[in-house]
Amino acid sequence: GEDVEQSLFLSVREGDSSVINCTYTDSSSTYLYWYKQEPGAGLQLLTYIFSNMDMKQDQRLTVLLNKKDKHLSLRIADTQTGDSAIYFCAEKEEGRRALTFGSGTRLQVQP
Amino acid sequence: SAVISQKPSRDICQRGTSLTIQCQVDSQVTMMFWYRQQPGQSLTLIATANQGSEATYESGFVIDKFPISRPNLTFSTLTVSNMSPEDSSIYLCSVESAPSFTDTQYFGPGTRLTVL
Repeated sequence: GEDVEQSLFLSVREGDSSVINCTYTDSSSTYLYWYKQEPGAGLQLLTYIFSNMDMKQDQRLTVLLNKKDKHLSLRIADTQTGDSAIYFCAEKEEGRRALTFGSGTRLQVQP
Repeated sequence: SAVISQKPSRDICQRGTSLTIQCQVDSQVTMMFWYRQQPGQSLTLIATANQGSEATYESGFVIDKFPISRPNLTFSTLTVSNMSPEDSSIYLCSVESAPSFTDTQYFGPGTRLTVL
């Protein structure tokens, strides 16, 4: 079955860039997503990328996709304390409607 | 994007009882999903609920334990039956925006369940 993996923890200083990485195994992934979960809250969709794209930029967020290596990353520019949260990558497999989630990366932003 | 609400937002329940969680969407959607997030873990799909048909359950989840209703295109319920402490989790419903080029899924705020 499909598998999505992320590192568990990342700590950065306020104002620096954060890069959160994700690897997946399913070559038939159609869309890949990044969600943010703040303490005690649900999941907020941050951005997504279609599998035939290499890069997508949305304000402070840049998503890079290396389909050959099945590697996805989320870069947050000028990281703020309000960005502290757990970030989940997720993939949608072709022919399947539900998402498969990674384990989540806890981002800690230090002032 | 769809606006999704869940009730209750949290509950503390006794072992052996059942809890029904409601999910309400502000627009008609075809696909609704129920996920579970155990403490410190990622999300695991419980089942997919389409209006007018039986829910489709993932491996490891059964209808007797997690019965689901989907009476119309804006509402669904998930019941956690005969609860044990291992059922303590956040339960989230999500919907697929339709029709959508991106097949994006939006999530409700979750129901935080603690079983004593």
